[in-house]
Amino acid sequence: AQKITQTQPGMFVQEKEAVTLDCTYDTSDQSYGLFWYKQPSSGEMIFLIYQGSYDEQNATEGRYSLNFQKARKSANLVISASQLGDSAMYFCAMSQTFKAAGNKLTFGGGTRVLVKP
Amino acid sequence: DTGVSQDPRHKITKRGQNVTFRCDPISEHNRLYWYRQTLGQGPEFLTYFQNEAQLEKSRLLSDRFSAERPKGSFSTLEIQRTEQGDSAMYLCASRATGAGQTNEKLFFGSGTQLSVL
Repeated sequence: AQKITQTQPGMFVQEKEAVTLDCTYDTSDQSYGLFWYKQPSSGEMIFLIYQGSYDEQNATEGRYSLNFQKARKSANLVISASQLGDSAMYFCAMSQTFKAAGNKLTFGGGTRVLVKP
Repeated sequence: DTGVSQDPRHKITKRGQNVTFRCDPISEHNRLYWYRQTLGQGPEFLTYFQNEAQLEKSRLLSDRFSAERPKGSFSTLEIQRTEQGDSAMYLCASRATGAGQTNEKLFFGSGTQLSVL
C-alpha cells in the first residue's frame, strides 16, 4: 500500500519569498509517480508538477520545482517568489505506474499556505 | 478543452434521501475517477472507469453507492439512503491513456459539495 505524509498542516509565507512544502512517501513499488496539486477555496484541484520515480532530474514548472530525494523517499515542493494567489491548500500525491493499478492517486493530508502581503 | 464539469456544485439533502451527481469529463479522456474529500483531508479514491467499464471500487464505496458510465462519456454517482457521514466533497477527474501521454496528470472538476442534514 502507498502512503503520503505531509507534516505541515499550515504555514505563512511572506509575499515574494520562497516556501518549501514537505512530502514524504512510502511504497514498495519500484515505479511510481509523484504529484503536487493546489486546491484554492473554489475546490478545484489544480495540477502543479509531476515527477516520475525514474526521472533523474528534478521536475520544474515555472515557479514550482520538486526536490526529489529518492533514497529519503521525499518529494518536497518549492514555490519561488510567492504571490498572494498562491494562498491555498497543497496536496502531495502518488500513483502506481503499472497498468493494472489504474493510475489512481493516493493523497496526503495537505498543507495550507497563506501568503502575507 | 472545456475541462471537467460537475453538477450540481452543492447539494443539501435530508438523511435517508437518494442523491445523484453527474460528471462530464474532458471529451477525449477514456479514464474517469471519483474521489471523496472530507473537511481538512486529502481526497480518497472511490472508483474509476476505463471507457464504460468500472475497473476498480474502493472498500469506501459501500453498497449504498453506485457509479455508472453507460456510454463511456459522462458518469453518475448515486448515493442511496444518505447518512450524515456521507457529507463530503465528491470530486471527479479524468485523463487520457495511451501513446503520447507524457505523464499521468489527472484533470479534476470543481466537485459537488454534499451536506446531509
